[in-house]
Amino acid sequence: DAKTTQPNSMESNEEEPVHLPCNHSTISGTDYIHWYRQLPSQGPEYVIHGLTSNVNNRMASLAIAEDRKSSTLILHRATLRDAAVYYCILRDVRTNAGKSTFGDGTTLTVKP
Amino acid sequence: EAGVAQSPRYKIIEKRQSVAFWCNPISGHATLYWYQQILGQGPKLLIQFQNNGVVDDSQLPKDRFSAERLKGVDSTLKIQPAKLEDSAVYLCASSSLFRGDQETQYFGPGTRLLVL
Repeated sequence: DAKTTQPNSMESNEEEPVHLPCNHSTISGTDYIHWYRQLPSQGPEYVIHGLTSNVNNRMASLAIAEDRKSSTLILHRATLRDAAVYYCILRDVRTNAGKSTFGDGTTLTVKP
Repeated sequence: EAGVAQSPRYKIIEKRQSVAFWCNPISGHATLYWYQQILGQGPKLLIQFQNNGVVDDSQLPKDRFSAERLKGVDSTLKIQPAKLEDSAVYLCASSSLFRGDQETQYFGPGTRLLVL
């Protein structure tokens, strides 16, 4: 299974943009890039996903490198409520394929 | 819309005892997942159901763990007998579509298990 690599931790100041990187050098052509985040004492929640083009939603933006070997989750204005563990995972587009391999994620600390 | 429900929220048992966790997915969701999350680590998939059939249980320690999803709705995960290393949060998730381009997994709050 293709794996992802993320920094263990990152810090940000409140109301500043945050760029969370993810490397997935062994990504296959049928893998979608998904991001989830896990707030303290809660289950993970979906943030965003994409295949090749950059994606935006109300929570964040996803920038995908042209060779698809890396991606960046962008929080445009971090708030204290964005402090969480962020996971980058790959999900195969084919039915009945792919494992949800979460890895250990990036712990984001937001300072007031 | 109600989210994924799990019970109990907390459980403390002694090693070699048995324990069972229950999950009720979002109504209409065909795919159900059980994950184990050890403190400081990301969730690890234990088993995945599509309706009431098992899609992937390659990481389930079958000598002590079992899971079922009768009638394709609720699911139970059982550990018998429990070991100290089973102390973790057990997360249940569900999704309506099992395809990487459309799938969004919705997670429950988890059951925190402590084995003494």
